[in-house]
Amino acid sequence: AIQMTQSPSSLSASVGDRVTIACRASQGIRNDLGWYQQKPGKAPKLLIYKVSRLQSGVPSRFSGSGSGTDFTLTISSLQPEDSATYYCVQDYDLWTFGQGTKVEIK
Amino acid sequence: QLQLQESGPGLVKPSETLSLTCVVSSASLSNSNYFWGWIRQPPGKGLEWIGSIYYTGSTYYNPSLKSRVTISLDMSKNHFSLKLSSVTAADTAVYYCARDISGNAPFDFWGQGTLVTVSS
Repeated sequence: AIQMTQSPSSLSASVGDRVTIACRASQGIRNDLGWYQQKPGKAPKLLIYKVSRLQSGVPSRFSGSGSGTDFTLTISSLQPEDSATYYCVQDYDLWTFGQGTKVEIK
Repeated sequence: QLQLQESGPGLVKPSETLSLTCVVSSASLSNSNYFWGWIRQPPGKGLEWIGSIYYTGSTYYNPSLKSRVTISLDMSKNHFSLKLSSVTAADTAVYYCARDISGNAPFDFWGQGTLVTVSS
Protein backbone atom coordinates (compact mmCIF):
# COMPACT_ATOMS: atom_id res chain seq x y z
CA ALA A 1 0.00 0.00 0.00
CA ILE A 2 1.15 3.52 -0.79
CA GLN A 3 2.05 5.60 2.26
CA MET A 4 1.71 9.39 2.33
CA THR A 5 3.89 11.42 4.68
CA GLN A 6 3.17 15.08 5.38
CA SER A 7 5.45 17.65 6.94
CA PRO A 8 5.39 19.51 9.17
CA SER A 9 2.70 18.07 11.45
CA SER A 10 1.88 21.57 12.62
CA LEU A 11 2.96 25.15 11.99
CA SER A 12 2.20 28.62 13.24
CA ALA A 13 2.39 31.61 10.91
CA SER A 14 1.26 35.22 10.73
CA VAL A 15 -1.43 36.69 8.53
CA GLY A 16 0.12 37.49 5.15
CA ASP A 17 2.86 34.86 5.43
CA ARG A 18 3.59 32.37 2.68
CA VAL A 19 2.98 28.85 3.97
CA THR A 20 4.10 25.58 2.41
CA ILE A 21 3.10 22.03 3.36
CA ALA A 22 4.90 19.02 1.94
CA CYS A 23 3.55 15.59 1.10
CA ARG A 24 5.72 12.65 0.06
CA ALA A 25 4.46 9.40 -1.42
CA SER A 26 6.21 6.08 -0.80
CA GLN A 27 6.20 5.45 -4.55
CA GLY A 28 5.44 7.39 -7.70
CA ILE A 29 1.79 8.44 -8.03
CA ARG A 30 1.92 10.35 -11.36
CA ASN A 31 -0.28 13.42 -10.78
CA ASP A 32 -2.95 11.68 -8.69
CA LEU A 33 -2.63 13.94 -5.68
CA GLY A 34 -5.19 16.11 -3.94
CA TRP A 35 -5.35 18.46 -0.94
CA TYR A 36 -8.12 19.05 1.61
CA GLN A 37 -8.83 21.64 4.24
CA GLN A 38 -10.69 20.58 7.37
CA LYS A 39 -12.01 22.84 10.09
CA PRO A 40 -13.12 21.50 13.50
CA GLY A 41 -16.44 19.67 13.42
CA LYS A 42 -16.69 19.90 9.63
CA ALA A 43 -16.19 17.52 6.74
CA PRO A 44 -13.00 17.97 4.70
CA LYS A 45 -13.21 20.33 1.74
CA LEU A 46 -11.36 19.55 -1.48
CA LEU A 47 -9.02 22.40 -2.40
CA ILE A 48 -6.82 20.98 -5.15
CA TYR A 49 -6.81 17.85 -7.32
CA LYS A 50 -4.45 16.45 -9.96
CA VAL A 51 -1.57 18.20 -8.11
CA SER A 52 -2.41 21.74 -9.16
CA ARG A 53 -6.02 22.05 -10.34
CA LEU A 54 -7.98 24.40 -8.11
CA GLN A 55 -11.43 23.15 -7.11
CA SER A 56 -14.24 25.55 -8.04
CA GLY A 57 -14.69 28.33 -5.49
CA VAL A 58 -11.30 27.90 -3.82
CA PRO A 59 -9.33 31.15 -3.43
CA SER A 60 -6.39 31.61 -5.75
CA ARG A 61 -3.98 32.03 -2.83
CA PHE A 62 -4.02 28.22 -2.64
CA SER A 63 -1.79 26.40 -5.12
CA GLY A 64 -0.27 22.98 -5.55
CA SER A 65 2.85 21.70 -7.23
CA GLY A 66 5.10 18.68 -7.49
CA SER A 67 5.51 15.46 -9.39
CA GLY A 68 6.36 11.81 -8.89
CA THR A 69 6.65 11.41 -5.14
CA ASP A 70 7.05 14.96 -3.78
CA PHE A 71 4.26 17.50 -3.65
CA THR A 72 3.58 20.86 -2.04
CA LEU A 73 0.56 22.90 -1.02
CA THR A 74 1.25 26.63 -0.85
CA ILE A 75 -0.85 29.37 0.68
CA SER A 76 0.60 32.54 -0.82
CA SER A 77 -0.75 34.97 1.79
CA LEU A 78 -2.17 33.35 4.90
CA GLN A 79 -5.58 34.60 6.01
CA PRO A 80 -7.29 34.14 9.40
CA GLU A 81 -9.88 31.82 7.84
CA ASP A 82 -7.10 29.48 6.68
CA SER A 83 -6.61 28.20 10.22
CA ALA A 84 -7.38 24.50 9.74
CA THR A 85 -5.86 21.07 9.26
CA TYR A 86 -4.71 20.18 5.76
CA TYR A 87 -4.50 16.67 4.31
CA CYS A 88 -3.03 15.29 1.12
CA VAL A 89 -4.52 12.22 -0.58
CA GLN A 90 -3.32 9.94 -3.36
CA ASP A 91 -5.77 8.16 -5.65
CA TYR A 92 -3.24 6.54 -7.95
CA ASP A 93 -3.59 3.13 -6.30
CA LEU A 94 -6.65 2.93 -4.05
CA TRP A 95 -6.76 5.96 -1.75
CA THR A 96 -4.42 7.03 1.06
CA PHE A 97 -4.47 10.18 3.16
CA GLY A 98 -1.50 11.91 4.72
CA GLN A 99 -1.54 12.32 8.50
CA GLY A 100 -2.42 16.01 8.36
CA THR A 101 -0.81 19.40 9.01
CA LYS A 102 -2.39 21.77 11.51
CA VAL A 103 -2.02 25.43 10.53
CA GLU A 104 -2.44 28.01 13.26
CA ILE A 105 -2.42 31.79 13.06
CA LYS A 106 0.07 33.62 15.31
CA GLN B 1 -27.86 20.32 -5.14
CA LEU B 2 -25.93 17.14 -4.38
CA GLN B 3 -26.42 15.84 -0.86
CA LEU B 4 -24.97 12.85 0.95
CA GLN B 5 -26.43 11.89 4.31
CA GLU B 6 -25.05 9.21 6.60
CA SER B 7 -27.37 7.35 8.95
CA GLY B 8 -27.10 4.50 11.43
CA PRO B 9 -26.67 3.67 15.11
CA GLY B 10 -24.46 6.02 17.08
CA LEU B 11 -23.52 3.31 19.57
CA VAL B 12 -22.32 -0.21 18.78
CA LYS B 13 -21.18 -2.88 21.23
CA PRO B 14 -17.72 -4.43 20.98
CA SER B 15 -17.55 -7.52 18.72
CA GLU B 16 -20.75 -6.52 16.92
CA THR B 17 -21.17 -5.19 13.37
CA LEU B 18 -21.30 -1.48 12.59
CA SER B 19 -23.81 -0.67 9.84
CA LEU B 20 -24.18 2.70 8.14
CA THR B 21 -26.08 3.93 5.10
CA CYS B 22 -25.37 6.91 2.87
CA VAL B 23 -28.38 8.31 1.02
CA VAL B 24 -27.46 10.23 -2.12
CA SER B 25 -29.69 13.01 -3.40
CA SER B 26 -29.44 14.76 -6.79
CA ALA B 27 -26.97 12.25 -8.22
CA SER B 28 -27.38 8.73 -9.47
CA LEU B 29 -25.32 5.87 -8.07
CA SER B 30 -25.49 4.34 -11.56
CA ASN B 31 -23.42 7.17 -13.06
CA SER B 32 -20.20 5.67 -14.44
CA ASN B 33 -18.24 8.83 -13.63
CA TYR B 34 -18.23 8.25 -9.89
CA PHE B 35 -16.93 6.06 -7.11
CA TRP B 36 -18.70 6.19 -3.75
CA GLY B 37 -16.60 5.88 -0.65
CA TRP B 38 -16.41 5.68 3.12
CA ILE B 39 -13.79 7.52 5.17
CA ARG B 40 -13.47 7.68 8.94
CA GLN B 41 -11.77 9.91 11.48
CA PRO B 42 -11.17 8.84 15.10
CA PRO B 43 -11.59 11.66 17.61
CA GLY B 44 -8.64 14.04 17.39
CA LYS B 45 -6.94 12.00 14.67
CA GLY B 46 -6.53 12.00 10.90
CA LEU B 47 -8.56 10.68 7.99
CA GLU B 48 -8.57 6.99 7.04
CA TRP B 49 -10.02 5.68 3.79
CA ILE B 50 -12.15 2.59 4.47
CA GLY B 51 -13.33 1.56 1.03
CA SER B 52 -15.09 2.54 -2.18
CA ILE B 53 -17.61 1.08 -4.60
CA TYR B 54 -18.23 1.62 -8.30
CA TYR B 55 -21.65 1.53 -10.00
CA THR B 56 -20.86 -1.94 -11.32
CA GLY B 57 -20.66 -3.16 -7.75
CA SER B 58 -16.88 -3.53 -7.83
CA THR B 59 -15.45 -2.83 -4.40
CA TYR B 60 -12.07 -1.59 -3.21
CA TYR B 61 -11.03 -1.82 0.42
CA ASN B 62 -8.26 -0.54 2.67
CA PRO B 63 -5.96 -3.56 3.09
CA SER B 64 -5.81 -2.96 6.84
CA LEU B 65 -9.61 -3.28 7.15
CA LYS B 66 -10.42 -5.58 4.23
CA SER B 67 -11.19 -8.67 6.29
CA ARG B 68 -13.92 -6.81 8.23
CA VAL B 69 -15.46 -4.46 5.64
CA THR B 70 -18.34 -4.86 3.21
CA ILE B 71 -19.65 -2.01 1.04
CA SER B 72 -22.75 -2.45 -1.09
CA LEU B 73 -25.04 -0.48 -3.39
CA ASP B 74 -28.83 -0.27 -3.46
CA MET B 75 -29.72 1.37 -6.77
CA SER B 76 -33.46 1.26 -6.08
CA LYS B 77 -33.02 3.43 -3.00
CA ASN B 78 -30.02 5.36 -4.35
CA HIS B 79 -27.96 4.60 -1.32
CA PHE B 80 -24.81 2.70 -0.45
CA SER B 81 -23.92 0.99 2.78
CA LEU B 82 -21.00 0.10 5.01
CA LYS B 83 -20.70 -2.89 7.29
CA LEU B 84 -17.70 -3.25 9.61
CA SER B 85 -17.62 -6.44 11.64
CA SER B 86 -16.02 -7.37 14.96
CA VAL B 87 -15.69 -3.77 16.08
CA THR B 88 -13.53 -2.61 18.98
CA ALA B 89 -13.04 0.72 20.70
CA ALA B 90 -10.45 1.54 18.02
CA ASP B 91 -13.30 1.75 15.50
CA THR B 92 -14.85 4.69 17.34
CA ALA B 93 -14.82 7.52 14.81
CA VAL B 94 -16.75 9.98 12.73
CA TYR B 95 -17.72 8.10 9.58
CA TYR B 96 -18.10 10.05 6.34
CA CYS B 97 -19.49 9.02 2.99
CA ALA B 98 -18.19 10.83 -0.07
CA ARG B 99 -18.24 10.97 -3.87
CA ASP B 100 -15.10 10.50 -5.95
CA ILE B 101 -14.95 11.57 -9.59
CA SER B 102 -13.31 8.63 -11.32
CA GLY B 103 -9.88 9.48 -12.70
CA ASN B 104 -10.26 13.12 -11.78
CA ALA B 105 -11.06 14.62 -8.37
CA PRO B 106 -10.80 12.46 -5.27
CA PHE B 107 -13.76 12.77 -2.86
CA ASP B 108 -15.01 16.12 -4.07
CA PHE B 109 -18.25 15.99 -2.12
CA TRP B 110 -18.79 14.71 1.44
CA GLY B 111 -21.62 14.00 3.84
CA GLN B 112 -21.63 15.80 7.18
CA GLY B 113 -20.37 12.69 9.00
CA THR B 114 -21.80 10.61 11.80
CA LEU B 115 -20.12 9.70 15.08
CA VAL B 116 -20.12 6.01 15.92
CA THR B 117 -18.98 5.01 19.39
CA VAL B 118 -18.01 1.44 20.21
CA SER B 119 -18.75 0.75 23.85
CA SER B 120 -20.57 -1.76 25.99
